[in-house]
Amino acid sequence: AQTVTQSQPEMSVQEAETVTLSCTYDTSESDYYLFWYKQPPSRQMILVIRQEAYKQQNATENRFSVNFQKAAKSFSLKISDSQLGDAAMYFCAYHSGGGADGLTFGKGTHLIIQP
Amino acid sequence: EAGVAQSPRYKIIEKRQSVAFWCNPISGHATLYWYQQILGQGPKLLIQFQNNGVVDDSQLPKDRFSAERLKGVDSTLKIQPAKLEDSAVYLCASSSANQETQYFGPGTRLLVL
Repeated sequence: AQTVTQSQPEMSVQEAETVTLSCTYDTSESDYYLFWYKQPPSRQMILVIRQEAYKQQNATENRFSVNFQKAAKSFSLKISDSQLGDAAMYFCAYHSGGGADGLTFGKGTHLIIQP
Repeated sequence: EAGVAQSPRYKIIEKRQSVAFWCNPISGHATLYWYQQILGQGPKLLIQFQNNGVVDDSQLPKDRFSAERLKGVDSTLKIQPAKLEDSAVYLCASSSANQETQYFGPGTRLLVL
């Protein structure tokens, strides 16, 4: 079974600074997908970014980018120019390739933005 | 495009009572998921439907939880009887057939007293 580990229960960053959230995973599969979801206090999970394992290029979405290291099974999220609205829980998630399956989530990282 | 809808948003019940949650996925999405998120943890998959058939219910406590997806659209998740440890947020998500990206609803917060 796949596992996802987020080793930082909480991170704090000054507004406008850059922060990196860590995620590692364990799998024996070669085809899979990785996601970062944001969960504000409303509890709705919002997709931030996704990465296909077969792509070497790291995904980017505006201020959000990932550092995908397939051999190391590492998938970190970098948030540039942090804004107050970025404050939330961030979850790393794994999806097996080849079809529709449930997501395996990490325990999350609570991101605090200091004004 | 409307997102995933869920109701109710909040529910408080006493243990041993029953409760039901409703989910309406994004239009055209064949796959529907129910997740349970206990405080301080990531969501855990309870059940997955493809159209109106069950794909995976291996983590569903079948002695008290049941779910159905009528006509391959809306879905209901029921708990009967509820236990204190069922207090959690229940998240519904949907995706296009054979697509990996899942879109989540706002969730239902359940408190069992």
